[in-house]
Amino acid sequence: AQKITQTQPGMFVQEKEAVTLDCTYDTSDPSYGLFWYKQPSSGEMIFLIYQGSYDQQNATEGRYSLNFQKARKSANLVISASQLGDSAMYFCAMRGGYGNNRLAFGKGNQVVVIP
Amino acid sequence: GAGVSQSPSNKVTEKGKDVELRCDPISGHTALYWYRQSLGQGLEFLIYFQGNSAPDKSGLPSDRFSAERTGGSVSTLTIQRTQQEDSAVYLCASSLDPSGRANIQYFGAGTRLSVL
Repeated sequence: AQKITQTQPGMFVQEKEAVTLDCTYDTSDPSYGLFWYKQPSSGEMIFLIYQGSYDQQNATEGRYSLNFQKARKSANLVISASQLGDSAMYFCAMRGGYGNNRLAFGKGNQVVVIP
Repeated sequence: GAGVSQSPSNKVTEKGKDVELRCDPISGHTALYWYRQSLGQGLEFLIYFQGNSAPDKSGLPSDRFSAERTGGSVSTLTIQRTQQEDSAVYLCASSLDPSGRANIQYFGAGTRLSVL
């Protein structure tokens, strides 16, 4: 079974600053995928970034980057140059090995960007 | 629109009534998923459909919950004899190809179910 841990309390971030959201995971699968989603107050889950367990390089998507440390089983999300629209809940999720397509989610991190 | 569409967006029902929640996936996506998001339990997987294969129902919390997917497209999640603990946001997602490397799941805005 996969387990995702997000333990940071709610965060206030100054506009234009960077923020790092922590995510640790546990799995016995050698092959897995890690995802970050954003959920604004409207409720929709928005895909941000993906990291495969065998990827050699950290994933980047625009202002989002994933600090993947496989040995430590961590997949932290870095948001650079925060914008007011980044205020949302952020969820780390994992998909397990071959044939396992369900996502296991962490409890989420609340981020509020202040001007 | 081109995204995952769910209806209704909000549903209020009385305890003991049956409800049906609908999901229209992204056109061309072969896989469809239902999740439940509640304050106490976070996001939980419910059921997964892939093409014509038998669905993975392992996340359904009780036999009051069922889902079907007609014609490989639209899906309906049915909750019979609703209980107050069923109150939650029900999220639907779809993905293009589960055998793909990333198999990114794209979510709808959800149906907020309130059982009085």
